[in-house]
Amino acid sequence: DGGITQSPKYLFRKEGQNVTLSCEQNLNHDAMYWYRQDPGQGLRLIYYSQIVNDFQKGDIAEGYSVSREKKESFPLTVTSAQKNPTAFYLCASKGDRNSPLHFGNGTRLTVT
Amino acid sequence: GQSLEQPSEVTAVEGAIVQINCTYQTSGFYGLSWYQQHDGGAPTFLSYNALDGLEETGRFSSFLSRSDSYGYLLLQELQMKDSASYFCAVILWYGNKLVFGAGTILRVKS
Repeated sequence: DGGITQSPKYLFRKEGQNVTLSCEQNLNHDAMYWYRQDPGQGLRLIYYSQIVNDFQKGDIAEGYSVSREKKESFPLTVTSAQKNPTAFYLCASKGDRNSPLHFGNGTRLTVT
Repeated sequence: GQSLEQPSEVTAVEGAIVQINCTYQTSGFYGLSWYQQHDGGAPTFLSYNALDGLEETGRFSSFLSRSDSYGYLLLQELQMKDSASYFCAVILWYGNKLVFGAGTILRVKS
């Protein structure tokens, strides 16, 4: 079955450590996205990529970095520069402009 | 910039009809989407309006009026399992990216 896989489901880190969240899709989608969701809040765009080897900052990119070396993969690194990294992180992919977003099951990151 | 406004919370009884509104201020978008998210889960796609008018998918319908900068999601024959958060989102011309509203929590009571 086609879909998006995010791993791990839960992640715990100490403050000051960088952490990388994995996102893999086998839907053959060109576009991929990372969103952050805080409790009771909507989805805020961190980074997105339209094509391999290209990506753009979203609305809250500070303290995050991404890479898009392969079409299937779009990992997100939460750096120590991110002031409040504890959140639910959602990866998504999309086909053409009128296609819906397909979401992974998310990674819940807790930094203490 | 872009912004989408939704009510924060709506409560309705089983079997009823509920409408969740979404008003937006944005320049240049392909269409308005709706997503459902249950507690702790990932959002799932419900409906999409590329053109003005009503789109119907089973118990769910969605409406868009570009001239009024307004859309809504209509849920009929409410069931307890419909209790969830509902998000509207626009697909922007620039970058093929989606911007989401803050979401509406729907509580269905028996």
